Amino acid sequence: DTGVSQDPRHKITKRGQNVTFRCDPISEHNRLYWYRQTLGQGPEFLTYFQNEAQLEKSRLLSDRFSAERPKGSFSTLEIQRTEQGDSAMYLCASSLPGTGSYNEQFFGPGTRLTVL
Amino acid sequence: AQTVTQSQPEMSVQEAETVTLSCTYDTSESDYYLFWYKQPPSRQMILVIRQEAYKQQNATENRFSVNFQKAAKSFSLKISDSQLGDAAMYFCAYRRGNDMRFGAGTRLTVKP
Repeated sequence: DTGVSQDPRHKITKRGQNVTFRCDPISEHNRLYWYRQTLGQGPEFLTYFQNEAQLEKSRLLSDRFSAERPKGSFSTLEIQRTEQGDSAMYLCASSLPGTGSYNEQFFGPGTRLTVL
Repeated sequence: AQTVTQSQPEMSVQEAETVTLSCTYDTSESDYYLFWYKQPPSRQMILVIRQEAYKQQNATENRFSVNFQKAAKSFSLKISDSQLGDAAMYFCAYRRGNDMRFGAGTRLTVKP
């Protein structure tokens, strides 16, 4: 399977714990995006990378959130001191460079986080 | 700020019939892209159809077509000959540059 993969698919944690999610994009895609999707809502943009550079961050990305893409391939999203409000589906997407409509974003299956 | 509104939280359609999902958006830009994504239950989101704002012709992809009304900022999705596999959440999305905004989604049920 050469699509976008995410690990883990589900994560249950207690409030105050740290969690880390991983995203492996499609191999030739140099752009990688993170979104958060809460129940009954569409995805909300969090951040995106072009290669290893993090070029844009949403105001939703509080200082408890950090994303990295150290070698321009896979990316990690870490949430420190989790709160119940962090419970959501975290989606990763990747695309080729450029902003034309044919630079389609391909989405992974998501990581569902539940904070107890 | 660009916002995307899907006014139909849920829709249902009989198998083989046609259904139209509504989407409106707010922007002051003239150059942008619009998309419809499908998210089946417990499965990843996939692109259904896309429309460039500079194109007047409505996009079509097999049974899926759009009605793009730029002046009205409306972008509806028509699904013809609905199939059971069309059941999913459908999200309308607006993109300008790297900024992509999604609507809240419409849950489509297909009745056999």
